[in-house]
Amino acid sequence: SQTIHQWPATLVQPVGSPLSLECTVEGTSNPNLYWYRQAAGRGLQLLFYSVGIGQISSEVPQNLSASRPQDRQFILSSKKLLLSDSGFYLCAWSVGQASGNTIYFGEGSWLTVV
Amino acid sequence: AQSVTQPDIHITVSEGASLELRCNYSYGATPYLFWYVQSPGQGLQLLLKYFSGDTLVQGIKGFEAEFKRSQSSFNLRKPSVHWSDAAEYFCAVGARSSARQLTFGSGTQLTVLP
Repeated sequence: SQTIHQWPATLVQPVGSPLSLECTVEGTSNPNLYWYRQAAGRGLQLLFYSVGIGQISSEVPQNLSASRPQDRQFILSSKKLLLSDSGFYLCAWSVGQASGNTIYFGEGSWLTVV
Repeated sequence: AQSVTQPDIHITVSEGASLELRCNYSYGATPYLFWYVQSPGQGLQLLLKYFSGDTLVQGIKGFEAEFKRSQSSFNLRKPSVHWSDAAEYFCAVGARSSARQLTFGSGTQLTVLP
């Protein structure tokens, strides 16, 4: 069966420091991969979407970037964190229309920028 | 553009009572519809999904949802709520053409009284 791993689970970083959140999917190949952010009291916002290695679509302009160095690895990064980057970050995957484009989520990473 | 409305921000029910969470969507064609549940500090777990066919879909944990095209609704129901059902519930609508186009509602927080 497919599983998704996301780490670290919790992170406290000072303003201006870099960020790297990692996500890997097991048990499937060529998944679509996503990074979402869930700010306190707000819904889910799609940040990045990837259909393959090196293919990244950014949904909103921001201080973050994403990379997909391997088929089942997705990384969320920032060179200099802002206070507004605090939130709950969720990695997710799907495998296309055969499964109805169902999206499955990781356990999330809490980022607090201080 | 597609959209999802969850009109109830917060619902409180007693344990053992029935539950209905409302979801209304806006989409130009027949969408994919999903319900997810999120426990505090956790990722989103898929409860159920509708693609086509029978408009009453069964999910995990005793939940069901009914797709009503005429009302553009996909309400989630459970006949008898358990204390462990306390969580936040998200409805989502997806385009058949792309997994990228998954739009989430703002969520309904469920509190269960003993």
